[in-house]
Amino acid sequence: ILNVEQSPQSLHVQEGDSTNFTCSFPSSNFYALHWYRWETAKSPEALFVMTLNGDEKKKGRISATLNTKEGYSYLYIKGSQPEDSATYLCAHNNAGNMLTFGGGTRLMVKP
Amino acid sequence: DVKVTQSSRYLVKRTGEKVFLECVQDMDHENMFWYRQDPGLGLRLIYFSYDVKMKEKGDIPEGYSVSREKKERFSLILESASTNQTSMYLCASRGLAAPLSYNEQFFGPGTRLTVL
Repeated sequence: ILNVEQSPQSLHVQEGDSTNFTCSFPSSNFYALHWYRWETAKSPEALFVMTLNGDEKKKGRISATLNTKEGYSYLYIKGSQPEDSATYLCAHNNAGNMLTFGGGTRLMVKP
Repeated sequence: DVKVTQSSRYLVKRTGEKVFLECVQDMDHENMFWYRQDPGLGLRLIYFSYDVKMKEKGDIPEGYSVSREKKERFSLILESASTNQTSMYLCASRGLAAPLSYNEQFFGPGTRLTVL
């Protein structure tokens, strides 16, 4: 059983739709929460590192929020494009400075 | 441009073979990691290395060993491959800027290993 959970597991949207997905993690002993994007046939790339309760970060059309007290983070994509199709991974940084990954959300954007 | 490379994108081996997966990073990072990724299970840590010749077991080390003789290279070894080791293997590296928990990991493109 993963203690970092992502939902949904997969998501199909139309080009132009906005979408969001969730990462939940243990709320005790929080250090950092990482988001990665993993496109097919490429390396996972870091999107955000979130460290403070209430953090909100943005990169272009993608943004993320963090609630460390209740143990969740949301990733939002505004106006999805086909190039946003990827698996989005979140990872909780634990006390040992290792990352525990969720199962990922696979996003497919249809043109 | 930072880079982590892995020796093969696809690999097919037979049960019982000894398998070497190689990873090289050009960022002078101290920490390196090996993960495997299976559907629905996320990335699971097999082994990591703090620095040259130093290694620690991760969450699922059984059936694997590692070698780090040079800072830039971290090898994953399957001593006797089994079918349940069919998976996607990802290597990553990380620098030591403080605080460590804020540092992103840089990943290679992965090796998809099939054991027949």
